[in-house]
Amino acid sequence: SQTIHQWPATLVQPVGSPLSLECTVEGTSNPNLYWYRQAAGRGLQLLFYSVGIGQISSEVPQNLSASRPQDRQFILSSKKLLLSDSGFYLCAWTQGWNTEAFFGQGTRLTVV
Amino acid sequence: AQKVTQAQTEISVVEKEDVTLDCVYETRDTTYYLFWYKQPPSGELVFLIRRNSFDEQNEISGRYSWNFQKSTSSFNFTITASQVVDSAVYFCALSEVGTGANSKLTFGKGITLSVRP
Repeated sequence: SQTIHQWPATLVQPVGSPLSLECTVEGTSNPNLYWYRQAAGRGLQLLFYSVGIGQISSEVPQNLSASRPQDRQFILSSKKLLLSDSGFYLCAWTQGWNTEAFFGQGTRLTVV
Repeated sequence: AQKVTQAQTEISVVEKEDVTLDCVYETRDTTYYLFWYKQPPSGELVFLIRRNSFDEQNEISGRYSWNFQKSTSSFNFTITASQVVDSAVYFCALSEVGTGANSKLTFGKGITLSVRP
């Protein structure tokens, strides 16, 4: 069966520090991968998606970047965090398009 | 552009009450998919249902039921005989058919359901 792992679960980082969140999927190949952010009291905002290794599409301009170095690995990064980067980050995968997405357990990031 | 509206932000009910969560969507496509997700306090989103735009038949799964009406662009979710474990944030989502950005999931802002014992 397929599983998705996301870490760390919580993170407190100072403003200006770098960020690296990692997500891996097991039990499937060539998934579509996604990074979402959920700000407090809001819905989910799609940040990045990837249809293959090295292929990244950005949905909104921001202080963040994403990379997909391997088929089932998706990384969210920042060189210098801002206070506004605080939020709950969720990684997800789908098998193709228009299918249900399966989510990781999320990373709660607090930038101080 | 696609849009999902969940007008209810918070709902509180007493255990065993029935509760309906509303979802209204907007899309220009004739073919699309609708979803419901549950987000318990742990944070992980749990997939509940996927429905395509050509299937208006209502669905029932245990205490859960979904009412899809294209005429009113609504996809409402009813929990019968609610339980404390149903307390969570519930998201409705929409994706249009295709590939790339148009077929990404667009989420509503979610409804926080609290079920009191």
